[in-house]
Amino acid sequence: QQQVKQSPQSLIVQKGGISIINCAYENTAFDYFPWYQQFPGKGPALLIAIRPDVSEKKEGRFTISFNKSAKQFSLHIMDSQPGDSATYFCAASSTGAGSYQLTFGKGTKLSVIP
Amino acid sequence: DSGVTQTPKHLITATGQRVTLRCSPRSGDLSVYWYQQSLDQGLQFLIQYYNGEERAKGNILERFSAQQFPDLHSELNLSSLELGDSALYFCASSVGGQGTEAFFGQGTRLTVV
Repeated sequence: QQQVKQSPQSLIVQKGGISIINCAYENTAFDYFPWYQQFPGKGPALLIAIRPDVSEKKEGRFTISFNKSAKQFSLHIMDSQPGDSATYFCAASSTGAGSYQLTFGKGTKLSVIP
Repeated sequence: DSGVTQTPKHLITATGQRVTLRCSPRSGDLSVYWYQQSLDQGLQFLIQYYNGEERAKGNILERFSAQQFPDLHSELNLSSLELGDSALYFCASSVGGQGTEAFFGQGTRLTVV
């Protein structure tokens, strides 16, 4: 079963703090790892993505850390703001295997309090 | 705005009925993906089309079907609806067929009563 396990289920962070969300996968054929942000009533929005040939990717306040040997990756949100309050999904896919579906984690509901 | 357009936004229908959800991908995107989002199952991949042809199938019920037309818009047909089919249905599109850089529409909320 291709699974992506995401934790924690919910997270409360003070404004200005660092939010950290973790994901683990089993399928070693996965080679594309995006993070999506979803606000209530909206569709998931692509935030940042990484390939396994790099260990870290940073875009603004968002950083993905990737550990290939541990089959884990995480999203760090620096200087978290109330506007970051949303549900975050990690995902994974295998771009070379003929089936390019994204397998999603269950999501993390982030609340950033002032 | 992702550029992916889904209609309708909301749909309420009775059990046993059939509905059609429509998706217009971003300009230039050849690939369309359909996902179902429910509270208990999360985001589940249903089916992918690439340039008019079915590319991959996920956990899609036999009562559900989809197609992609020559103008690249896609429709998801849900028939013999059951209460458990109530969910958010998302369409996503990408330029290539490899699932990367997939952009999601705002979804259709289906309520079966």
